[in-house]
Amino acid sequence: ETGVTQSPTHLIKTRGQQVTLRCSSQSGHNTVSWYQQALGQGPQFIFQYYREEENGRGNFPPRFSGLQFPNYSSELNVNALELDDSALYLCASRDGKNIQYFGAGTRLSVL
Amino acid sequence: TQLLEQSPQFLSIQEGENLTVYCNSSSVFSSLQWYRQEPGEGPVLLVTVVTGGEVKKLKRLTFQFGDARKDSSLHITAAQPGDTGLYLCNQGAQKLVFGQGTRLTINP
Repeated sequence: ETGVTQSPTHLIKTRGQQVTLRCSSQSGHNTVSWYQQALGQGPQFIFQYYREEENGRGNFPPRFSGLQFPNYSSELNVNALELDDSALYLCASRDGKNIQYFGAGTRLSVL
Repeated sequence: TQLLEQSPQFLSIQEGENLTVYCNSSSVFSSLQWYRQEPGEGPVLLVTVVTGGEVKKLKRLTFQFGDARKDSSLHITAAQPGDTGLYLCNQGAQKLVFGQGTRLTINP
């Protein structure tokens, strides 16, 4: 039990649609990161938020965006979904010792 | 961006055997972390190594950090079915960069 919960667990969308994925972090964890994990691959860093501001981004287009809220929850939004966006999306919160705790992920399928 | 290469990509062995998996980079790691990810779960941190030549043990798992801090290995002794999973390494900085992982299957 990492204390990081993600919803929904599974989601099916069609190409061109928009999706919002949610993450609830542990209280006091001010940093949250989002990752995309394609089948059979390691997680790829999407972006990171610290105290509601984006402070780092990986090689993902602007249609991937996020929000972080004061209550330690966060969102990942993806617009204009493409087939290649099908993946497991992971969020991770960071504690004061710089250790990241991952949620179980949301598996997104784009048809 | 630091690239991490893990080998082998897949490994399937019998219960009770020993195994070693590797994580390599062309650049120096400031620190390196090993994670295990089981099906349907997110990665879980196993260990962080910081000092070149460092060796850490976690029950039957032995983690070694190369002297030049460019490589690391994970050795499992007497593997058990519960060790099955995806083993990931990363450079442990603010924005975690992961290798593609080693998918380990231990057959009873």
